[in-house]
Amino acid sequence: DIQMTQSPSSLSASVGDRVTITCQANQDISNCLNWYQQKPGKAPKLLIYDVSTLEAGVPSRFSGGGSGTDFSFTISSLQPEDFATYYCQQCDNRRITFGQGTRLEIK
Amino acid sequence: EVQMVESGGGLVQPGGSLRLSCAASGFTFSDYYMSWVRQAPGKGLEWVAKIMRDGSEKYYVDSVKGRFTISRDNAKNSLYLQMSSLRAEDTAVYYCARGGYRRFDNWGQGTLVTVSS
Repeated sequence: DIQMTQSPSSLSASVGDRVTITCQANQDISNCLNWYQQKPGKAPKLLIYDVSTLEAGVPSRFSGGGSGTDFSFTISSLQPEDFATYYCQQCDNRRITFGQGTRLEIK
Repeated sequence: EVQMVESGGGLVQPGGSLRLSCAASGFTFSDYYMSWVRQAPGKGLEWVAKIMRDGSEKYYVDSVKGRFTISRDNAKNSLYLQMSSLRAEDTAVYYCARGGYRRFDNWGQGTLVTVSS
């Protein structure tokens, strides 16, 4: 199975900060990489798919990039509602895998 | 409005069985792959199984292969997960998710399965 290594596992930041999370696959996954946000007690929410395409209704402060094995997710200016856990997910393989998650906390 | 509602979770003893259901509405169910994704308490997301639109192909994470069976009834807009030989490590919130070919674009609220004696 394809392994996804997400970093950092946790991150403290302030409102207005720019933050970046990275996700590395152990083999080339082309452009099949998605990002989700999950808040405590809630289901995950799709934010970005196919590396860089914003899901409908998602604010433009969220962005994604990368190719091959190395990918990134950026929030350009943190808002209070953005403090949550974020997961990457590869879909290049029939067996889907997620990264371990990044918990974004308020500094 | 797209909606998925899971049911069937609960407390079960190790070695026992449980059947989860997911009732979908607000979209043409037969047009989509469907999946189950789980999350153990305090842990990350783990994809469990997915099923093609017509149910002809199914895929599983290695840890549940041979124990879990995903199925669907397109006439009833429903997705199922039959779980047997349950282990403590299967304890998790189980989410029904629309998709599985590439992305999961809608999720249910989840149902908790607890495997304990």
